[in-house]
Amino acid sequence: EAQVTQNPRYLITVTGKKLTVTCSQNMNHEYMSWYRQDPGLGLRQIYYSMNVEVTDKGDVPEGYKVSRKEKRNFPLILESPSPNQTSLYFCASSFRDGPWNEQFFGPGTRLTVL
Amino acid sequence: EDQVTQSPEALRLQEGESSSLNCSYTVSGLRGLFWYRQDPGKGPEFLFTLYSAGEEKEKERLKATLTKKESFLHITAPKPEDSATYLCAVRATDSWGKLQFGAGTQVVVTP
Repeated sequence: EAQVTQNPRYLITVTGKKLTVTCSQNMNHEYMSWYRQDPGLGLRQIYYSMNVEVTDKGDVPEGYKVSRKEKRNFPLILESPSPNQTSLYFCASSFRDGPWNEQFFGPGTRLTVL
Repeated sequence: EDQVTQSPEALRLQEGESSSLNCSYTVSGLRGLFWYRQDPGKGPEFLFTLYSAGEEKEKERLKATLTKKESFLHITAPKPEDSATYLCAVRATDSWGKLQFGAGTQVVVTP
């Protein structure tokens, strides 16, 4: 089954404790992206990757890191989480070329930073 | 700066009562406008992509249209299963990788 998976789905942590949220897709997509969703603000893009070893900032990259060492994986790293990073996070992927570059979204990771 | 504004924020409809959602956008050059549906606690699900003014796409009770400044999502004779939040997003020609979302319209359809 074609899908985007995220782990963990739920995470409660404390300020300053480094964490990684994994994202994996099995559709051979070149493009992957991370978003956060907050009430009233909608989805905001954190980072995106056009292909392996190619990453770039979205609208809200502060406090986050990403890496793209393999085509299927795009982990999101919070080196020193703070309470304002409490949010619902989504990973997405799509083909890079063609007119039909619809994004497939993962199920989300709900993060609480105390 | 690219902007996407959706209205209304929330919409309550009776089953069978058709309506339209609006997505107005400001972007230097439009590469694509996307509509997604999001159910509570789930990731957005792709509905349509529109590329140029005048374009229309349909899927069951949903029809999306595009002008140079806005897009409409028409819901015809909605059913309770059409209840969801509908998200609009734009991709600009000068920043392929970036996708700018609106805040969404929450639609509730009652029997």
